[in-house]
Amino acid sequence: DTGVSQDPRHKITKRGQNVTFRCDPISEHNRLYWYRQTLGQGPEFLTYFQNEAQLEKSRLLSDRFSAERPKGSFSTLEIQRTEQGDSAMYLCASSLALTGELFFGEGSRLTVL
Amino acid sequence: AQTVTQSQPEMSVQEAETVTLSCTYDTSESDYYLFWYKQPPSRQMILVIRQEAYKQQNATENRFSVNFQKAAKSFSLKISDSQLGDAAMYFCAYRRQGAGSYQLTFGKGTKLSVIP
Repeated sequence: DTGVSQDPRHKITKRGQNVTFRCDPISEHNRLYWYRQTLGQGPEFLTYFQNEAQLEKSRLLSDRFSAERPKGSFSTLEIQRTEQGDSAMYLCASSLALTGELFFGEGSRLTVL
Repeated sequence: AQTVTQSQPEMSVQEAETVTLSCTYDTSESDYYLFWYKQPPSRQMILVIRQEAYKQQNATENRFSVNFQKAAKSFSLKISDSQLGDAAMYFCAYRRQGAGSYQLTFGKGTKLSVIP
């Protein structure tokens, strides 16, 4: 499968714990995006990478959130000291060009108890 | 800030019939892109159709077509000959051109059911 893959698909954690999600984009795509989708809402932009550089971060990305893309390949999204409000689907997408089509992964669903 | 509004939380259509999903948006930009994405249950979101604002001609992709009314800031999706596989959440999305064009702004979505 050469699509965008995300891991884990589901994560249940207790409030206050740290969690990390991984995204493997389509191999030739140099642009990578993270979005968050809560129940009944459309996805909301979190952050964007071009190669290994994080070029934009949404105000939604509080200081408890950190994203990296070492070597411009896979990316990780870490949430520290999780809160119940962090419960959501975290979507990763990649594209080849700035105006190119975004290809989404199936998402990582986080439940914070 | 740009906003995207989908006023129909749920729609249903009989198989083989035609359905139109509505979307309006608010922007002060003149150049931008509009998209419709499909999100089947527990599956990844996929692009259905895109429209560049500078193009007057409405985009079409097989059974999917749009009615783009730039002055009215309206961007509806028409699905013809609906099939069971069309059942999904449909999201309208906007992206500006130029600086800050990295992000898509999505509407809340319309859940489409297809009745056999």
